[in-house]
Amino acid sequence: AAGVIQSPRHLIKEKRETATLKCYPIPRHDTVYWYQQGPGQDPQFLISFYEKMQSDKGSIPDRFSAQQFSDYHSELNMSSLELGDSALYFCASSLGGSHQPQHFGDGTRLSIL
Amino acid sequence: KQEVTQIPAALSVPEGENLVLNCSFTDSAIYNLQWFRQDPGKGLTSLLLIQSSQREQTSGRLNASLDKSSGRSTLYIAASQPGDSATYLCAVKETSGSRLTFGEGTQLTVNP
Repeated sequence: AAGVIQSPRHLIKEKRETATLKCYPIPRHDTVYWYQQGPGQDPQFLISFYEKMQSDKGSIPDRFSAQQFSDYHSELNMSSLELGDSALYFCASSLGGSHQPQHFGDGTRLSIL
Repeated sequence: KQEVTQIPAALSVPEGENLVLNCSFTDSAIYNLQWFRQDPGKGLTSLLLIQSSQREQTSGRLNASLDKSSGRSTLYIAASQPGDSATYLCAVKETSGSRLTFGEGTQLTVNP
């Protein structure tokens, strides 16, 4: 069965640079979620979209923005990167809103030098 | 604010043992609770999902229970195997909002 696809798998950036992470949900899934997992920490919710509209917002810095496109894929844009942004970024998707099980991708590991 | 706690933080057992992982949450207004497995540097694999109206779910050697009123869930692993070694995370989905709130996980090592 198709899973959530995230790209790139690994990304290395320098401070103050920008980065774009992409998420392709499971086919027909209309809801996407972004989480950030720092080293040795549990995943923290950033933001979610349902039918291309933002549905919930967590601890997402103002330097980050995200959107969901008409084909339901989502992009997380990160600017003015800081050392503390180094983390594993997960995307998850679900069908029919947030009361359904969330299926996670393998994540994008972002390293800031 | 929902807080999720997992005990123990780490557990090391010999192969073949039955074991229990614990998860507690502070706000009982949850919609469901999921148990995940995470291998080092890897993604999250959903193991079991329990709806708030359910008491338990089973999948193979795994059994998860939920006591919503007391804010507790347990994950029971029967006849543990070295391949079970991983970090196990529980996460709650509240009745409002989209987010999952995760615990810090239990790092399990099953020794051959």
